[in-house]
Amino acid sequence: SSELTQDPAVSVALGQTVRITCQGDSLGKYFASWYQQKPGQAPILVLYHKNFRPSGIPDRISASSSGNTASLTVTGVRAEDEAVYYCSSRDSSDNHVIFGGGTRLTVL
Amino acid sequence: QVQLQQWGAGLLKPSETLSLTCAVYGGSFSTYYWTWIRQTPGKGLEWIGDINDSGSSNINPSLTSRVTISVDTSKNQFSLKMTSVTAADTAVYYCSRGVWQRVPPLSFTSYMDVWGKGTTVTVS
Repeated sequence: SSELTQDPAVSVALGQTVRITCQGDSLGKYFASWYQQKPGQAPILVLYHKNFRPSGIPDRISASSSGNTASLTVTGVRAEDEAVYYCSSRDSSDNHVIFGGGTRLTVL
Repeated sequence: QVQLQQWGAGLLKPSETLSLTCAVYGGSFSTYYWTWIRQTPGKGLEWIGDINDSGSSNINPSLTSRVTISVDTSKNQFSLKMTSVTAADTAVYYCSRGVWQRVPPLSFTSYMDVWGKGTTVTVS
């Protein structure tokens, strides 16, 4: 399969914890990567490999996975976490990169 | 710190050829997959394709007939050409640096860790 499925939107109260999920057959072979995109900006990598964060990404953003589902969890959500989050991997043939449709995180 | 600087024409007429170039500053050009991604207005991310320093490229199956990605290792640059553009190709185009590695014993990891600022291309 060459698809990654994400819920279109999720909302969370300030200071609470939220999980964003990504499902796809390729995730049985690939670790998902996660990107955060704020309006008018380029996406930035926030999680990759098993649960690695690039420099500058806070440790309250973490990754986990189970079978064909990958998850991004934000603990103690802040207003600055409001963004669209995309998951990605290569497809099962290894030849192409695929993205999920994105999940818009709204902080209440 | 690696930076990607991209440029190219921002306004095209239908049937013209889109041409974008991305220069890599501050890091190695080898061992990575140099990637083009686009985002149509209000939509998600679409991978266009990538290329390594040896010139081996992979292209999105939906775009293979119109897209060429090339690399100039002497300049640390890579380029995107897309022929016969239509209004549907109106988008923000990003260049990025891709990593693709095997994770023993049976897994792989793939991610884009550095992104250009994006170029808005309008076809009208």
